Amino acid sequence: SAVISQKPSRDICQRGTSLTIQCQVDSQVTMMFWYRQQPGQSLTLIATANQGSEATYESGFVIDKFPISRPNLTFSTLTVSNMSPEDSSIYLCSVDPTGDRYEQYFGPGTRLTVT
Amino acid sequence: AQSVTQLDSQVPVFEEAPVELRCNYSSSVSVYLFWYVQYPNQGLQLLLKYLSGSTLVKSINGFEAEFNKSQTSFHLRKPSVHISDTAEYFCAVRRSNDMRFGAGTRLTVKP
Repeated sequence: SAVISQKPSRDICQRGTSLTIQCQVDSQVTMMFWYRQQPGQSLTLIATANQGSEATYESGFVIDKFPISRPNLTFSTLTVSNMSPEDSSIYLCSVDPTGDRYEQYFGPGTRLTVT
Repeated sequence: AQSVTQLDSQVPVFEEAPVELRCNYSSSVSVYLFWYVQYPNQGLQLLLKYLSGSTLVKSINGFEAEFNKSQTSFHLRKPSVHISDTAEYFCAVRRSNDMRFGAGTRLTVKP
């Protein structure tokens, strides 16, 4: 298993600003994922972040808007850039400890409100 | 790509009553199936999973789900729910590196 923490747990930001979300895992993992959960909706994968390589973004998400860093095997950041109210969501970090996608663990999420 | 349909967005039920949360998927190839639970203001927790073998899988807190290949379903059931089961439940389907989540079912257990 894996224990995941995220910072901040929530934030209220102004339009046009940027927020960086941190994800810390208690063990070394190769595969990390960032998801968005818009109000009342399901999870949508933003990108996959593997250490040592560029993040892979899903359709509809671009690096300029959601830059991701993965400096080591226990840590990652997601930045939400030039925010608009449509970016108001819960952002979730997830890891696959074994690398086989049989089991994914999720962080508690960062609840972002853009005004 | 596969898709996941959770047929009920909200399920209200009284305490100690049975409950079934429905999940159907569409995929032409073999998939892995998961149920996740999200308690209020918390992240997702894996409830149970089907990878292979027995089609009936069980969790430690009394939930069970049955993989039905012919009906492409993976419904979640519990014979007697508790107030503490109130949460959002997500069905998920994985094929290769593609993981898709259903829209979620909000289970509300009333006293």
